[in-house]
Amino acid sequence: GENVEQHPSTLSVQEGDSAVIKCTYSDSASNYFPWYKQELGKGPQLIIDIRSNVGEKKDQRIAVTLNKTAKHFSLHITETQPEDSAVYFCAPTQGGANNLFFGTGTRLTVIP
Amino acid sequence: DAGVTQSPTHLIKTRGQQVTLRCSPKSGHDTVSWYQQALGQGPQFIFQYYEEEERQRGNFPDRFSGHQFPNYSSELNVNALLLGDSALYLCASSRWLRGRSETQYFGPGTRLLVL
Repeated sequence: GENVEQHPSTLSVQEGDSAVIKCTYSDSASNYFPWYKQELGKGPQLIIDIRSNVGEKKDQRIAVTLNKTAKHFSLHITETQPEDSAVYFCAPTQGGANNLFFGTGTRLTVIP
Repeated sequence: DAGVTQSPTHLIKTRGQQVTLRCSPKSGHDTVSWYQQALGQGPQFIFQYYEEEERQRGNFPDRFSGHQFPNYSSELNVNALLLGDSALYLCASSRWLRGRSETQYFGPGTRLLVL
């Protein structure tokens, strides 16, 4: 099965700064790379995803970059806001989004 | 448009009992997946249902079983509960397209505590 690691495990940034979370995976057949945000007491919410035929995707303050050769992809959040505080999970998988292998999670805290 | 809904929100059981959790998918979705999330961990895939059949299964024992109904809703059953089954159980729905599941959307989860 997929071995997924996220770094860092915790991240604190000042409001307005940028945050970057990296996800490394082991299965070279992975071709779908989503990022989920989970707030306290809620289920994970998809915030951005990318497929293996694309190197980068951006949606307003959020972007994802993929390096398939090195088997890692990263979440970039610019102009962070307190409401960005949550736990972020990557979930690389193959064959679409059939069974997501979630990473270990990164707790992001944005300090006002 | 309602998203994924789950019931109940919280549940307390004792060891050895059985539990049934329920999930209604997002409108337009026909595939339901179940995940177990232990405290401080990422969700772990249990199984996925499409067309009322289990399509894929993660590394969970047979005590975990499921069902999908014609209206696409689903149930997760866990028999002979163990203390280690205490977790947040998440349901995710998606569309099945060209032989695979599309993007999964999660419900709020059911928190199960086994005493």
